[in-house]
Order: sequence, then C-alpha cells, then structure tokens
Amino acid sequence: AQSVAQPEDQVNVAEGNPLTVKCTYSVSGNPYLFWYVQYPNRGLQFLLKYITGDNLVKGSYGFEAEFNKSQTSFHLKKPSALVSDSALYFCAVRDGNNFNKFYFGSGTKLNVKP
Amino acid sequence: NAGVTQTPKFRVLKTGQSMTLLCAQDMNHEYMYWYRQDPGMGLRLIHYSVGEGTTAKGEVPDGYNVSRLKKQNFLLGLESAAPSQTSVYFCASRTGKETQYFGPGTRLLVL
Repeated sequence: AQSVAQPEDQVNVAEGNPLTVKCTYSVSGNPYLFWYVQYPNRGLQFLLKYITGDNLVKGSYGFEAEFNKSQTSFHLKKPSALVSDSALYFCAVRDGNNFNKFYFGSGTKLNVKP
Repeated sequence: NAGVTQTPKFRVLKTGQSMTLLCAQDMNHEYMYWYRQDPGMGLRLIHYSVGEGTTAKGEVPDGYNVSRLKKQNFLLGLESAAPSQTSVYFCASRTGKETQYFGPGTRLLVL
C-alpha cells in the first residue's frame, strides 16, 4: 500500500533558526514526492518535488528537501526560518501503481516565533 | 487566469439534503481531483478524472458522485448528506506533469 507519514503534528522553531519538517513514505516503484504548503483558509500551494536526479531538491521561498532512498524519507528544510513560514505543510507521494493518484500525509503545523 | 475556482465557499446542509460542488479551471488541464480535508487526516482523494467524460474512484468515494461533462469543470455531488461529510473540500487540477493546482476550498457543515 502507498502511504505517507508525517510524524510531527507541530514543529516550533525560532525565527532565524534552521527548520526541518519530517516525512517518510511507502510506495512501490520509483517515488515521486512533493511538498505543499497551506496558509489559513487557503488551498494548498506547491513548494517542490522530487522525481529523479539530485537528492537535494530546491523549491520556492528558500525551501529545500532531501530525498533519502535508504531511509524512505523526504524531509523539508530551510536554513533560516521566517515568521511568515508559519503554515501547515503537507508531504505527498504519487501512487506507484496508478500514476493518476496521490496520497497526502496528515500535515505538520510549523510555528515560527519571533 | 483565475486558476482553480470553487463554488460555493461555504454551505450548511441538513442531514439528507443534496448539493453539488462546482470546480472550474481555466488552465486547460486534463486531470482533476476532489479531496476532503479533515483534522489530523490530511487530504484524502474522493474521486478524480483523467479527462472529459471520464471519472474514477479514489480512497473515500462512498456517498459522493462526480461528473466531468466539460474539460474545465468537475462537479462533486452529495445525494444525501450525512454529518460525517462535514469537511473542507478541495479541488485540484494538473497537466501531464505531476504538480497539482488547488482551489481555495469549500467548507461544508452537515447538521
């Protein structure tokens, strides 16, 4: 079965400090992985994706994610957090058997404090 | 471009009532999706469509029906609403690439 796990419901970090939001996945075949961000009362916005190539993927707003095949992880990172990064973050994976379907994690709320 | 729009933004239903949620996209995308978002559960796929006139079931299709009569529109219907269908509903679309574009959501409360 295809699945995505985000083990932390909430991550708290001080402004200026590095942040990491964790994601692990289970999928058959080669994983296609995504991060989306959701601001209050808004739809999800695409941040970045891994399909193939370099394990470190760079995305919007200074975010990056590291793909680790042996640990089946795709953690979201940013070297220096901003208060405006506070939002809900979702990891997602494409179904390895049905390329038209996607599975999302439960979401991690990121709180960046001044 | 408006991107992906959803109508209505908010609705209150009584148990047993029916309604249709409309999703429209102006990006000429082939693929469209309906998800529901519930606290602690992330987004779960209800139904999806890979092109005009085609639909398929997702993870949680029971109690919902969909139609894609026009490429730009994807309708989600609730024939007999239940309190368990209280949720926030998101529509998304994409091209052949994997990135999805989401609408602003519809909040549905079923009493």
